[in-house]
Amino acid sequence: EAGVAQSPRYKIIEKRQSVAFWCNPISGHATLYWYQQILGQGPKLLIQFQNNGVVDDSQLPKDRFSAERLKGVDSTLKIQPAKLEDSAVYLCASSPTVPPNTEAFFGQGTRLTVV
Amino acid sequence: GQSLEQPSEVTAVEGAIVQINCTYQTSGFYGLSWYQQHDGGAPTFLSYNALDGLEETGRFSSFLSRSDSYGYLLLQELQMKDSASYFCAVSGGYQKVTFGTGTKLQVIP
Repeated sequence: EAGVAQSPRYKIIEKRQSVAFWCNPISGHATLYWYQQILGQGPKLLIQFQNNGVVDDSQLPKDRFSAERLKGVDSTLKIQPAKLEDSAVYLCASSPTVPPNTEAFFGQGTRLTVV
Repeated sequence: GQSLEQPSEVTAVEGAIVQINCTYQTSGFYGLSWYQQHDGGAPTFLSYNALDGLEETGRFSSFLSRSDSYGYLLLQELQMKDSASYFCAVSGGYQKVTFGTGTKLQVIP
């Protein structure tokens, strides 16, 4: 089965610019997560979807970050405007059933550098 | 809220056994997972414990004590390819999955 697809793999932007990341989860997976991973740290959950509804977005900086999951399948994460501290790897993951009883499958991530 | 603590780094010799501990605090708890992440790679799932006790999967075992809010990952017969970061993750209230800060394991010859 195909894994979680993310694009782009790398992105370099200047501060105050906008950027968008795309994620296509594994087919049939109801739960989709976006994590931010700063170098040397653990993944930090930004937002979690169950189908196309938001389960948790308590750590999403809503003044600059937004996310949507169209028709409960693909998802996009947007940053506008970007700050230097947003430099990180943005990981998308999906799982096949309602947590907490299964594993999350991760994409390769998008490495964002803000200069 | 939720918080997890792990040692930041561990070094072990090839062929040996290493234990990576994780303590957690959470407002609701369903289970503890472990993930492996090589440099530049994506986290990959290793194990999940919902109940107290030891789960074994090949060279890797994971333990959970719910009463102590504590778990560990045990890696046996260490190989060089096991050098990676290992994260514990708590599935807590409202279906939220929170990762620890990670333990960087270095396996030396």
